[in-house]
Amino acid sequence: QKEVEQNSGPLSVPEGAIASLNCTYSDRGSQSFFWYRQYSGKSPELIMSIYSNGDKEDGRFTAQLNKASQYVSLLIRDSQPSDSATYLCAVRLYNFNKFYFGSGTKLNVKP
Amino acid sequence: GAVVSQHPSWVICKSGTSVKIECRSLDFQATTMFWYRQFPKQSLMLMATSNEGSKATYEQGVEKDKFLINHASLTLSTLTVTSAHPEDSSFYICSARWGLAGGSTSYEQYFGPGTRLTVT
Repeated sequence: QKEVEQNSGPLSVPEGAIASLNCTYSDRGSQSFFWYRQYSGKSPELIMSIYSNGDKEDGRFTAQLNKASQYVSLLIRDSQPSDSATYLCAVRLYNFNKFYFGSGTKLNVKP
Repeated sequence: GAVVSQHPSWVICKSGTSVKIECRSLDFQATTMFWYRQFPKQSLMLMATSNEGSKATYEQGVEKDKFLINHASLTLSTLTVTSAHPEDSSFYICSARWGLAGGSTSYEQYFGPGTRLTVT
């Protein structure tokens, strides 16, 4: 079983819609959760970090964390074609230096 | 803030030669740096974690004698691919996490732009 699971997609949404990206993790000792965006041929870019249960909003992005269900999601409101990329979910375990990345979900926002 | 650079951005080398990749944190002190490798259409694979002034910790299956990592200062880590072969051709990405001498540390990793290595 992988530490972090993501649906590979592609997830296709029309411009202006809400894109919902999901991630599950296996280790209940996970403490910190991150969403990265990676454009093709580029390195990942940090979008959001979330550490406690609930929602965290930053502009058009909302991260949601449910530790009981071991589930973290990213909502992108008013999706734009420029949001088309692969979104990586990352989890930090209680071991300070141990991070795990999911395989990523490819998002396509159609004009 | 939190800018990480890598040099070179791309490199082509002949089989059997060695290649050094530099990773620098430009506006913060990076107590910990990570090295990843990514093959086309695959996810990031953590190769090793390096802490300033100590030996790197390599992930299972990564040859430490082939991938030499040096984290000599709080702003610089280097990865040397020794005796490179075509199967080492990949996108190598470093990331850094800031830390302060007093012990405060960010959990967020900031990635460099990556180095595309092609071994012919």
